[in-house]
Amino acid sequence: DADVTQTPRNRITKTGKRIMLECSQTKGHDRMYWYRQDPGLGLRLIYYSFDVKDINKGEISDGYSVSRQAQAKFSLSLESAIPNQTALYFCATSDSGRDTGELFFGEGSRLTVL
Amino acid sequence: GQNIDQPTEMTATEGAIVQINCTYQTSGFNGLFWYQQHAGEAPTFLSYNVLDGLEEKGRFSSFLSRSKGYSYLLLKELQMKDSASYLCAVLDSNYQLIWGAGTKLIIKP
Repeated sequence: DADVTQTPRNRITKTGKRIMLECSQTKGHDRMYWYRQDPGLGLRLIYYSFDVKDINKGEISDGYSVSRQAQAKFSLSLESAIPNQTALYFCATSDSGRDTGELFFGEGSRLTVL
Repeated sequence: GQNIDQPTEMTATEGAIVQINCTYQTSGFNGLFWYQQHAGEAPTFLSYNVLDGLEEKGRFSSFLSRSKGYSYLLLKELQMKDSASYLCAVLDSNYQLIWGAGTKLIIKP
C-alpha cells in the first residue's frame, strides 16, 4: 500500500461543482502539502500545513481551501470548480525532523473541469 | 522574482552519460533537490545538495555551485527506465521550495 494515498485518482466534473480531493498518509510525518502540476510549468504550491493547527497559503491558493482533519489527513476543496483548475494535483508529506526535508508524494489526482 | 531554469527536453542513448543542468535565481538558498518523475506518476526524491561539490549515489550524481547558482544531475550507464522528467527545486530563504518546469529525458536504444 502507498504511504501517501490520494482519492480520487481521476475525476471529471462540471464548472461550478464543489470538489474535494483527499489525502491520507501512514508515514507519521507532521508536514503536508498540496501542489498542482500543469504541462510546461513547475509544481506550484497551493496550501501547506506544518501541523494540525497550522494552515498556510501557497503561491496559488485563490479558488481553493483546505482542511487538516488529523495529522494523517489533509483535504483540498474547490468550492466552485472552473476549467482552468484542470490539472494534476499532488499531495506530499515531509518530516520536520529530517535534515534534507525531502518530500514524499502521493500518486496524484487528475482533475478535469468541463 | 525567483526563477529556476532547466532544458525542456534532452535525448540520450542507452548506455551513455547525460548531464542535466539547472540554474537558479532565488531569494536565499537552503538547499537544492533533484526529483525524478515518470510520466503520469509522482515525483520521487533523487538527491539533495546544500554544500558545493559533487554528491554521488550509484549511477546518479548531483553537483552544486552556490556562487554560480548552478547545479547538474549526471546520469551514467543510461537505461531505458531512466526515461522520465527530472525536476530541479531550490529551498529559498523562507524554506519554500521553488520548482523548475522539469527536463524530459528521452533514452533511445
